[in-house]
Amino acid sequence: IAGITQAPTSQILAAGRRMTLRCTQDMRHNAMYWYRQDLGLGLRLIHYSNTAGTTGKGEVPDGYSVSRANTDDFPLPLASAVPSQTSVYFCASTTGFSGANVLTFGAGSRLTVL
Amino acid sequence: GQNIDQPTEMTATEGAIVQINCTYQTSGFNGLFWYQQHAGEAPTFLSYNVLDGLEEKGRFSSFLSRSKGYSYLLLKELQMKDSASYLCAVTNGDYKLSFGAGTTVTVRA
Repeated sequence: IAGITQAPTSQILAAGRRMTLRCTQDMRHNAMYWYRQDLGLGLRLIHYSNTAGTTGKGEVPDGYSVSRANTDDFPLPLASAVPSQTSVYFCASTTGFSGANVLTFGAGSRLTVL
Repeated sequence: GQNIDQPTEMTATEGAIVQINCTYQTSGFNGLFWYQQHAGEAPTFLSYNVLDGLEEKGRFSSFLSRSKGYSYLLLKELQMKDSASYLCAVTNGDYKLSFGAGTTVTVRA
């Protein structure tokens, strides 16, 4: 089934540890995004990639660094997790053409940093 | 930057109509989206408006006034399954969507 796969679904992590939130899509979409969703704040864009090999900063990029080596994958590494990174993370993708860029979202990864 | 406002919560009765308003102030505008998000799930696309006017899609309709920076989502014949958060989002054409905080709609029997 075509779509976006995120892993892990849920994770509890000690502060200072490293981990990578994984995101893979099989729709050959050009553009991919990472959002975080926090209660009362809605979805906020962390980083995006319009095409493989390029990335850009969103609204809340601090503490996150991304790269995109190929079309299908857009991982979000956490080098040294901090409690403020506790959130639900959604990966999304779209064809990337201008106009009605309807985003397809993954199921989300719930991260708790203690 | 983008500033998108929508009410935090709304409650309505099954079978009724609810209108969710969204106002926005953006640097550039190339369309407004509405997404539905059930608790614990991913957002899913509902509607897209780029021109002024009303777009109807079954029980859901979305309206846009670009001069007023205003949109609404109209949910008719409410069903219990419509209990969800509704997210207003705006794009300025650079492939990025900026979202409002969302409106949680609770449908009561």
